[in-house]
Amino acid sequence: QKEVEQNSGPLSVPEGAIASLNCTYSDRGSQSFFWYRQYSGKSPELIMSIYSNGDKEDGRFTAQLNKASQYVSLLIRDSQPSDSATYLCAVSISGTYKYIFGTGTRLKVLA
Amino acid sequence: DGGITQSPKYLFRKEGQNVTLSCEQNLNHDAMYWYRQDPGQGLRLIYYSQIVNDFQKGDIAEGYSVSREKKESFPLTVTSAQKNPTAFYLCASSKGLAGRSVNTDTQYFGPGTRLTVL
Repeated sequence: QKEVEQNSGPLSVPEGAIASLNCTYSDRGSQSFFWYRQYSGKSPELIMSIYSNGDKEDGRFTAQLNKASQYVSLLIRDSQPSDSATYLCAVSISGTYKYIFGTGTRLKVLA
Repeated sequence: DGGITQSPKYLFRKEGQNVTLSCEQNLNHDAMYWYRQDPGQGLRLIYYSQIVNDFQKGDIAEGYSVSREKKESFPLTVTSAQKNPTAFYLCASSKGLAGRSVNTDTQYFGPGTRLTVL
């Protein structure tokens, strides 16, 4: 069973702090890795995609991928109350048609 | 302005009724997907399509049907055979099918349709 696992949270961080969200996956055929942000009652919005080992930065967001350890993380610097949402980790698996989604981590940024 | 549109935003279904959810994209994407999201749960794949006139069942296709007559459109019908259809339905698209090639399998979502059975 291909799985993507995330801590459901809530993860609470003070405003201005770094929020660290983690995701592990089971299938070594996983090819592409995505982080989505989902506000309550809304659809998922793509934050970051990453394909290669290492770090990828985009503004306040940094995605980190370690294929040997089968984890991908998302760091949010200078966290803002508007970052409060559920963050979904997703992977696409080579040779399949599927994206596998985690159940999400709820982040609360405290003002 | 490219994107994915879904309509209606809210939909109410009576018992025994079929309803159709619309999904349209102008991103020139080949692949389209339908997911269902239940409270506190992850996304579950209903159907996907990689080209016009072709679609495949996902993990929870029973009680649902789709068509792909145009590249831009991928409507989902929730039939009376779906016993527990109350959920948030999400349509998504990607340039290429998941897992085929990096850089083309980034998936984007529409705004969703919330279906409630009365």
